[in-house]
Amino acid sequence: AQSVTQLDSHVSVSEGTPVLLRCNYSSSYSPSLFWYVQHPNKGLQLLLKYTSAATLVKGINGFEAEFKKSETSFHLTKPSAHMSDAAEYFCVVTDNSGYALNFGKGTSLLVTP
Amino acid sequence: EAGVAQSPRYKIIEKRQSVAFWCNPISGHATLYWYQQILGQGPKLLIQFQNNGVVDDSQLPKDRFSAERLKGVDSTLKIQPAKLEDSAVYLCASSLIGGGYGYTFGSGTRLTVV
Repeated sequence: AQSVTQLDSHVSVSEGTPVLLRCNYSSSYSPSLFWYVQHPNKGLQLLLKYTSAATLVKGINGFEAEFKKSETSFHLTKPSAHMSDAAEYFCVVTDNSGYALNFGKGTSLLVTP
Repeated sequence: EAGVAQSPRYKIIEKRQSVAFWCNPISGHATLYWYQQILGQGPKLLIQFQNNGVVDDSQLPKDRFSAERLKGVDSTLKIQPAKLEDSAVYLCASSLIGGGYGYTFGSGTRLTVV
């Protein structure tokens, strides 16, 4: 079964410093991978997606992620954190059918002034 | 384009009562999904529809949960009878075709069972 493991349940950074949210995946085939963000009491928003094109994927709000097949990783990064980035982030992989999404447990990002 | 609409936004019921949630997907989206998100966890797929047919309901607790998508558009998810552990946010999502193109999620219905 396709699954993802988010290696940190909580990450705290200072405003203006880099962000790194780690995700490893397990898949028996070439997966589609996503990062979603969920702000408090808001819906899930797609940050970026990897679908076997370029391995470095750029998303919204300055986020990007790199697909590394040799390491089975899809880490999310941002050069400089903003207070508005504080939210829950989910790493996601498509299931066997390529339709349904399997979510990780989430990483809570805290940004301090 | 209008988003995925869900109602109600919040619902509080007592255990053993029944409850229903409604979802209206983006126009033209053939695939519709219901997810359950328990506090502190990632969303878990309950059921997937392709038009008005069920594609995957392997994680739906069928003894108490049911869902339908009449005419391939709107969908309802029902719980009867509810248990305390059903307290969660129920998210509806739709996609044009496969999940590889990304979903659009609704804002969800927060259910509290007391």
